[in-house]
Amino acid sequence: AQRVTQPEKLLSVFKGAPVELKCNYSYSGSPELFWYVQYSRQRLQLLLRHISRESIKGFTADLNKGETSFHLKKPFAQEEDSAMYYCALGSARQLTFGSGTQLTVLP
Amino acid sequence: GAVVSQHPSRVICKSGTSVKIECRSLDFQATTMFWYRQFPKKSLMLMATSNEGSKATYEQGVEKDKFLINHASLTLSTLTVTSAHPEDSSFYICSARDARGGGSFDNEQFFGPGTRLTVL
Repeated sequence: AQRVTQPEKLLSVFKGAPVELKCNYSYSGSPELFWYVQYSRQRLQLLLRHISRESIKGFTADLNKGETSFHLKKPFAQEEDSAMYYCALGSARQLTFGSGTQLTVLP
Repeated sequence: GAVVSQHPSRVICKSGTSVKIECRSLDFQATTMFWYRQFPKKSLMLMATSNEGSKATYEQGVEKDKFLINHASLTLSTLTVTSAHPEDSSFYICSARDARGGGSFDNEQFFGPGTRLTVL
């Protein structure tokens, strides 16, 4: 069975500091990984997906199959990045979510 | 594009009554919609997968008779919480997958804003 682990429930960094949100997965097939973000009082929305290899709002994430990881990174955090971040694994046309990491960027 | 709406956004009901929540894809067709439950400060728990024109597939531990799902069209799925009890109070979120499917669309889901259910 697939599993997504986000080891940090809470993460605080100062504005301008680098940030990394960790995500590890367990899946026997070829994974499709996503990062979703939920800003305060807003709906869950897609931030990025590994197949696109894109950078959204300065965030990037690289799929490391050897380490089964898909960590989310941003070199310089901004206050508006404060939100709940969920890593998700797509398989059999379903999404399995990690438990989420609440990121707080301090001024 | 790819907007999903939910109605109502918030509902309060008495114990024992039934509540219906609607999920609509506004600008795309969704053969598959998903219903999640989100507990405070916890992740999303998939309750069921709703397929247009067929019965929903429920996850283990989710009572089919309590959480009735209907997906009558390509743009609408409903979740009815029957005989609601206080422990059913939660945040219910739906999502929809674009019917186009294929490639990058296979697993991406678009989420509704959620419905806060409070059962007194």
